[in-house]
This record gives sequence, structure tokens and C-alpha cells, in this order.
Amino acid sequence: AQKITQTQPGMFVQEKEAVTLDCTYDTSDQSYGLFWYKQPSSGEMIFLIYQGSYDEQNATEGRYSLNFQKARKSANLVISASQLGDSAMYFCAMREVVFGNEKLTFGTGTRLTIIP
Amino acid sequence: ETGVTQTPRHLVMGMTNKKSLKCEQHLGHNAMYWYKQSAKKPLELMFVYNFKEQTENNSVPSRFSPECPNSSHLFLHLHTLQPEDSALYLCASSQVSAGVQETQYFGPGTRLLVL
Repeated sequence: AQKITQTQPGMFVQEKEAVTLDCTYDTSDQSYGLFWYKQPSSGEMIFLIYQGSYDEQNATEGRYSLNFQKARKSANLVISASQLGDSAMYFCAMREVVFGNEKLTFGTGTRLTIIP
Repeated sequence: ETGVTQTPRHLVMGMTNKKSLKCEQHLGHNAMYWYKQSAKKPLELMFVYNFKEQTENNSVPSRFSPECPNSSHLFLHLHTLQPEDSALYLCASSQVSAGVQETQYFGPGTRLLVL
């Protein structure tokens, strides 16, 4: 079973609109972390936002916010007022302990295209 | 320079060549990672170094050989690769404190094509 599931392979959004990228995860750990990364066509993975499993409030970083619903095991990324520069691949990732070692597991990503 | 740098950015090599990928981090971190990103597949963790010691090798073929001479530098030595090894190779670093791995920061990657 996949640890991280991103069900939207691609999305097209009008500039200035808000967009929600879906991410669900599967873990039996009580302590884990959830990350979102952005990967433009240049290839670099850019860290956007982090949510710890014990954090009571949803994480926010500028135009990015993470809609964390622990009971549903979802950690959706919300981008407000989208810009053309937001066009990229977006990856959800989970940090968990596997056989005593911490590992970061990535989803398959969502390709976001912002339309002018 | 700041962040995580990788050289070369692009590499084309034949199956009989030997080449090395270099990664350098300027963040003062104590852990470094190699990932492979193939088309339409999730990122695959290849190697992990904590405090210069290799702590994980995810069943990577021996034609990939990592080297971590210090906490700031990480190499991936390549020899007798196969065409299916063509991919984007990403390096990352993080701080590990009291066994907890903090956010990983990535370099720009090396796009490798094996002919």
C-alpha cells in the first residue's frame, strides 16, 4: 500500500485563484511529520511547509497553508492567490520511523499549471 | 554559496564510463542523502549518511558507490551504468538532533543520461 497518495496527477488553475492540492497518508505511528515540496522544471526540490503530527494548528507560510485533518489522514496544500511562478510539480512527503531510522517517503506528485 | 549545490547539472555517459557526482552543503547540517528520481515514479532514497557514517543503503546496485569524506561533501561514484539508470539524481541535507531528522533541503540535481 502506498504511504503517500496524491490523486491529482495534473491541475490547471486560473491565475489569482486559490488551489488545493490533495495528499493522504498512511501510517500507524503517533509521531510523524508531513512536508510539501515544489519542484520547478529546473529540478530543484524547494521546501514549502511542514506540519508535525502533534501540531494543533494548521501550518502556514505566506501564501501556503496546510489543511491538516489527522482523523482523515489528509494533509492538503492550499495556495492562495496563485501566480504564474507557482507552475511546477508539487510533492507531499511524510517522515516516519522505519526500523529505528527516520525516513522521508514521497508521493508521486501533482503537476500544477497556472493559466494567465 | 548557500544551500545545497550539485555538480555537474547535466551528464551524459556511456555504459563503460566512470564518473562522479558531487554534492556540497553550506547549511552546517550533519546528514546527507542521495535520491533517484525517475520519470513517473516517486523519489527513491538511495543512501543516507549521518555524521559521515552510512546508515542506510536501500538495496542500491553496487555500480553506485557513495563517498562522504566530511559532513559537507557527498559524492556518488558511477561505473558501468545501465540505460535504466538515467534519471535525476538529487542530493539533500538535514540536521539530525537527538535522533530526530529535521527538514531536508535539496540541491538542484544532476540529470544523468546513460547511453
